[in-house]
Amino acid sequence: DTEVTQTPKHLVMGMTNKKSLKCEQHMGHRAMYWYKQKAKKPPELMFVYSYEKLSINESVPSRFSPECPNSSLLNLHLHALQPEDSALYLCASSQNAGTGMGNTIYFGEGSWLTVV
Amino acid sequence: GNSVTQMEGPVTLSEEAFLTINCTYTATGYPSLFWYVQYPGEGLQLLLKATKADDKGSNKGFEATYRKETTSFHLEKGSVQVSDSAVYFCALSDRRTGNQFYFGTGTSLTVIP
Repeated sequence: DTEVTQTPKHLVMGMTNKKSLKCEQHMGHRAMYWYKQKAKKPPELMFVYSYEKLSINESVPSRFSPECPNSSLLNLHLHALQPEDSALYLCASSQNAGTGMGNTIYFGEGSWLTVV
Repeated sequence: GNSVTQMEGPVTLSEEAFLTINCTYTATGYPSLFWYVQYPGEGLQLLLKATKADDKGSNKGFEATYRKETTSFHLEKGSVQVSDSAVYFCALSDRRTGNQFYFGTGTSLTVIP
């Protein structure tokens, strides 16, 4: 069973709406991630938080705004999205974000987003 | 740079058949290697991993051996079940940049009774 919990599981929003995706992990991990996955494709990295600070932004449009209130929580705020943003959004975490031995990433079940 | 190449799918097998999904990688350093599985409508689950050459990862009857000489990490299972139907992703993480995961394109497996 995954210990990364995402809510909501499904979200339908209009292009003028503001909504948020939420993620929580209970493993004491210090790195958290947002990925976007389109159908039949591998996950694409969007953001990485390391020790609650944004460390990687993969040139994601500003209509996606991440927030890390504490080491266990990660949010993704959504505003003025486009239909092509419809996808599965996956939250993930790993023990740390340092260099050295490669980390194992643990994924949540994902939030299915549909923009209408 | 770092990259992962997986065999193209989809793969369709009969129950109890032998499974191999090929994965090769390119890495500048000494990567850790992973297989993730994604069942329909779900997120990715870690299936197995190996962190150094000649390590064998195993879980749920699946195995993969980290082969540095052939830069490969092929996934195998001796007897597949219908419940193994899913998409399988090979991935690597670069030891020098622990944040960066590189995924293969995924291989869809369907097991028929």
